[in-house]
Amino acid sequence: AQSVSQHNHHVILSEAASLELGCNYSYGGTVNLFWYVQYPGQHLQLLLKYFSGDPLVKGIKGFEAEFIKSKFSFNLRKPSVQWSDTAEYFCAASDSWGKLQFGAGTQVVVTP
Amino acid sequence: DTEVTQTPKHLVMGMTNKKSLKCEQHMGHRAMYWYKQKAKKPPELMFVYSYEKLSINESVPSRFSPECPNSSLLNLHLHALQPEDSALYLCASSPQDREGSPLHFGNGTRLTVT
Repeated sequence: AQSVSQHNHHVILSEAASLELGCNYSYGGTVNLFWYVQYPGQHLQLLLKYFSGDPLVKGIKGFEAEFIKSKFSFNLRKPSVQWSDTAEYFCAASDSWGKLQFGAGTQVVVTP
Repeated sequence: DTEVTQTPKHLVMGMTNKKSLKCEQHMGHRAMYWYKQKAKKPPELMFVYSYEKLSINESVPSRFSPECPNSSLLNLHLHALQPEDSALYLCASSPQDREGSPLHFGNGTRLTVT
């Protein structure tokens, strides 16, 4: 069955620390991968996506993600986090046009 | 700010009430979606409309009835809901012009069923 799993449910780190959130997917065939962020009280926003091409994808707000096909992974990274990066982060995948499946989410708390 | 507008932002309804959630986008997107999100959980797909036709129904109970009057509007009609239906209901749209088109989400309607 198709699935998306996120390794950490809760991450707490200090400002300027580096962040890496793990995501693994289980899909056969072509897969489209996304990272969404949900700031407190706000809507889900697209951080970045991978469809094809360069497996290292750069997104908004200094985030990047690397697609590693052999590991079925799409980990999210940011070299130096800020307090404003406190949010819920969702990895998501689709293998068709629009049926998006989300991982369980990772709550990230950045302390000043 | 999001370009997908949902109304109302909050809704409290009794189990015998009939209410509707509304969603609107003017980005020319051809696919629209309803998701349900419980607290501390990821969004779960309910319905997908593609070119104004229902293309996916994720075995949602009939007390939820979607409607797509035109390519810009999406409604979710609610009737005889249960308290466990209380959740954040998210609308999304996508251009669906190529595979991998991302979804654009609205702010959601926070629904409480009493």
